[in-house]
Amino acid sequence: IQLTQSPSSLSASVGDRVTITCRASQGISSYLAWYQQKPGRAPKLLIYPASTLQSGVPSRFSGSGSGTDFTLTISSLQPEDSATYYCQQVNSYPLTFGGGTEVEI
Amino acid sequence: EVQLVQSGAEVKKPGESLKISCKGSGYSFTNYWIGWVRQMPGKGLEWMGVIYPGDSDTRYNPSFQGQVSISVDKSSSTAVLQWASLKASDTAMYYCARRLDSAEPFNIWGQGTMVSVSS
Repeated sequence: IQLTQSPSSLSASVGDRVTITCRASQGISSYLAWYQQKPGRAPKLLIYPASTLQSGVPSRFSGSGSGTDFTLTISSLQPEDSATYYCQQVNSYPLTFGGGTEVEI
Repeated sequence: EVQLVQSGAEVKKPGESLKISCKGSGYSFTNYWIGWVRQMPGKGLEWMGVIYPGDSDTRYNPSFQGQVSISVDKSSSTAVLQWASLKASDTAMYYCARRLDSAEPFNIWGQGTMVSVSS
């Protein structure tokens, strides 16, 4: 299953609403996760399944979608949100990641 | 505290063999899948494979099948990723990560092991 993320990068201002999309090549129900990776750090799980925020993740992050189309939204961008965001499907092997979206403040 | 601690950075020559490790602590090691993820310099994440320490059930990404081997040592709560013959293209950061079940993402990650392969 291929995951296509868009855009590959974006630049936005503090307080902006940011949306990242992830499209799967076939239906994966809600078996989609979102990760945040900051430079030099391991990825951090933000959302799984598609719309459930992990414990400790700020409420400005949200996820939606099912089937083949998913979105990650940051409602009010903060300086600490500068990172690369990846989607991952865990519906079937081989597990796959999207290509990533670099968010610049 | 639940954590995965990986072995240190490695510098190797093409053709050499290598094992890197990932030690789990703070949880029941045999009850959670451990996966490996590659990140080449400046690139995205690639899932390599996973192993269930309880019974050593292993699943590989076809792109990595035959190129690497994943194993566990239950006695030391350690997962191992190994190469028989490294290539320059194996230069990357390698992360181990834990997942609860076969339909779950990775919720705990190791700090990463940088592998550099150069003649």
